[in-house]
Order: sequence, then structure tokens, then C-alpha cells
Amino acid sequence: RKEVEQDPGPFNVPEGATVAFNCTYSNSASQSFFWYRQDCRKEPKLLMSVYSSGNEDGRFTAQLNRASQYISLLIRDSKLSDSATYLCVPAGNNDMRFGAGTRLTVKP
Amino acid sequence: NAGVTQTPKFQVLKTGQSMTLQCAQDMNHNSMYWYRQDPGMGLRLIYYSASEGTTDKGEVPNGYNVSRLNKREFSLRLESAAPSQTSVYFCATDALLDSNQPQHFGDGTRLSIL
Repeated sequence: RKEVEQDPGPFNVPEGATVAFNCTYSNSASQSFFWYRQDCRKEPKLLMSVYSSGNEDGRFTAQLNRASQYISLLIRDSKLSDSATYLCVPAGNNDMRFGAGTRLTVKP
Repeated sequence: NAGVTQTPKFQVLKTGQSMTLQCAQDMNHNSMYWYRQDPGMGLRLIYYSASEGTTDKGEVPNGYNVSRLNKREFSLRLESAAPSQTSVYFCATDALLDSNQPQHFGDGTRLSIL
């Protein structure tokens, strides 16, 4: 069983919209998470690290809910350039870490 | 500072041919990983090396071998390529296995086997 589960989408939103993705995880011992973005056929790139309850970086906010075992990513004021696949990854050694992610398409 | 460098970026092989994918990092990281990614799928771990001198199998090791040549370099070899190995291959590194540090990826090798 995958350590994380994400809605594969696709999420299709208009430019300027606010969109949120959830990622549920099964290992209650997981302490830290990373959000990566991956453009089509390119390498995953680190978007944000989450070591405590959450993190914010400009238009991006991540929140970790340990009681319900999910982590969310909120994107405000979506840009066309935000179109990508977003991967939720727990820190630590597990060869099942990377799922297929959530596909986001921002449209004009 | 190049980070993680993969060569080649593209390769076309015939079934049965062999080749080695190279990965080098200048981040002084201990752990290195090889993944493959098929269309519409997530990354799947082929092999990893927790530190220089060690290698371990991941989720999909069959048909591959690896060598951790030194701390900087981790190569992936296909001894007898098969069409099912057509994929995009990513090398990644992180500071230490089991640490709370993210992985950093190379820009991939796109491999087609005819």
C-alpha cells in the first residue's frame, strides 16, 4: 500500500482562482513532508518543505493535520505557470514514497 | 554548481543492447537513487545507495544493475535492454538516508528501446 494517497485530478481552474489539494498518509509516525511540482516529462522540483504544522511561501501554503493524517497544499491567485503535477512526499526511507501526484491545469 | 547531472539525456537502443546511465552529484550527499517513470505514473525506485560502497534493491530492480563508483557517482546499467524498459530515468540524491531532507533530482534520461 502506498504511504500517501492523492486525488489524481485533474483539477482545472481559471487563472486567479484558489485551489487546494489534500494528501492523506498512512504512517502516523511521519513527521515531515515535502511538496514537489513536476512539469510534464521533467524532473520533480522541491516546492516546499513542511517540518511542523505548516509552511507558507508567497501564494503557496501547506498545512499538516496530524490528527487526521493529511497534509494540504493551497495555491492562491493561480497562474498559468502553476500548471503541473504536485507530489506529496513523506520524509524518510520508504521505496513507496512517490505517488502519481495531483494534476493541476490553470486556464486563461 | 551543477547539482545532479545525468548523461545521456536521450538514448535509443535496440532490444538486447546494453548501456549504462551515468549520474554524478556535487552536493556532497551520501545517498543516491535511481527511479523510472512511465507515462501517467509516479516514480518507482529501481535501486538506491545509502552511502558509498552500499547498494540495495528498490521496488523494480529486475533487469538492472548499479554501481556506486564513489561518493559522487552512481551508475545504472541495462545488460540486455527490453521494450518494457522504455521510460524516463531519474537520478536523485539526498544528504542521508532516513533523514528529514528532500531529494534533489537530475533532469532525467529519456530511453527508448525498439
